[in-house]
Amino acid sequence: GAGVSQTPSNKVTEKGKYVELRCDPISGHTALYWYRQSLGQGPEFLIYFQGTGAADDSGLPNDRFFAVRPEGSVSTLKIQRTERGDSAVYLCASSANPGLGVRTDTQYFGPGTRLTVL
Amino acid sequence: AQSVAQPEDQVNVAEGNPLTVKCTYSVSGNPYLFWYVQYPNRGLQFLLKYITGDNLVKGSYGFEAEFNKSQTSFHLKKPSALVSDSALYFCAVRAPFFGNEKLTFGTGTRLTIIP
Repeated sequence: GAGVSQTPSNKVTEKGKYVELRCDPISGHTALYWYRQSLGQGPEFLIYFQGTGAADDSGLPNDRFFAVRPEGSVSTLKIQRTERGDSAVYLCASSANPGLGVRTDTQYFGPGTRLTVL
Repeated sequence: AQSVAQPEDQVNVAEGNPLTVKCTYSVSGNPYLFWYVQYPNRGLQFLLKYITGDNLVKGSYGFEAEFNKSQTSFHLKKPSALVSDSALYFCAVRAPFFGNEKLTFGTGTRLTIIP
């Protein structure tokens, strides 16, 4: 079956511009995650959705970053007034409903969107 | 808090030899531990995970990992390396408390298999 897809694969923008990055999770997965991977680093958690609601947004670096998932499927990560330090690969992942109790669900990642801010 | 350390940035192994990629973790309680692999210009691919039970976990492509609670380690292993195993490997941990879904990743280990 289809995996997690992300568009665009590459995005080049100028400092101060607004960008939107899109994520399509695996069909039927209720949990969706955004991570950011800077050069030479491991992915860093940004935000987690369970259904339509953001269950944990503790990783968003500041109020320029915002994410939505209005229908509980596709998610959009929005970055306002981009800065050169925002340049990174933005990864999306999804997992099946974690449910209650022991949470063992695997997060499956998309190919990422490489954002370059000039 | 949860953290992971991958002490080696680079590991070189001759094809056919056994390989080990090291990972140590820090977390309150019993950890959930994961290994992912990243090929150039591609996302992370899941290899295996430890949640509970047998300390030796088997995963994709012949990889396995051993959970060692006393040493807080979760090293990735393979008995016989292939050139196609060359990639960037990430260890990740998640603390097992309700509401915590975030993975914390190490900085990665670049594995190069030499023909």
